[in-house]
Amino acid sequence: DTEVTQTPKHLVMGMTNKKSLKCEQHMGHRAMYWYKQKAKKPPELMFVYSYEKLSINESVPSRFSPECPNSSLLNLHLHALQPEDSALYLCASTREAGANVLTFGAGSRLTVL
Amino acid sequence: QKEVEQNSGPLSVPEGAIASLNCTYSDRGSQSFFWYRQYSGKSPELIMFIYSNGDKEDGRFTAQLNKASQYVSLLIRDSQPSDSATYLCAVNMTKGGGSQGNLIFGKGTKLSVKP
Repeated sequence: DTEVTQTPKHLVMGMTNKKSLKCEQHMGHRAMYWYKQKAKKPPELMFVYSYEKLSINESVPSRFSPECPNSSLLNLHLHALQPEDSALYLCASTREAGANVLTFGAGSRLTVL
Repeated sequence: QKEVEQNSGPLSVPEGAIASLNCTYSDRGSQSFFWYRQYSGKSPELIMFIYSNGDKEDGRFTAQLNKASQYVSLLIRDSQPSDSATYLCAVNMTKGGGSQGNLIFGKGTKLSVKP
């Protein structure tokens, strides 16, 4: 069992919908990450939170809005997405930002119709 | 120049053989190197990491690092059909933009182990 839990596992949404992806870890890690992975491509870094503050935003469109309510939770709010945003969204955590041993969650498979 | 490069494969080896997976990287200052395994439709899982030049062994897996050549490899001995997956090389970036200090992944090499 992964120590990083992501919900939902699968999400189908229309371009006008608002939905959220959720991620939770209880390892005491202080850095959490969102990656996006399209088919046959490597994971691409989207956001990094360190000590509950956004430290990196890799020029992600504003239709993706991250939120870190506390040190164990990380959300990704989705609004007005495009079909090309369909992908596997991976949450990960590390003990500290830059401590590179990423622990990934199982991912949320997003389909935008 | 791409930051982390891998041969996308597929690399096909018979069961019991040694599979050799290779990765080159562009950031000469990188200090940390990782191999992740990803089964189709699943998330990446860490196989090994290596920080120092030379070899690091863990069971059937050996990671090899040559910083002068900016090259890291993964050897899988006695390959099993269950090893069939995509293997992602990841390198920490030490320079440039928001990626600094974070892992950049190669495109991955798809390995197929034939019974």
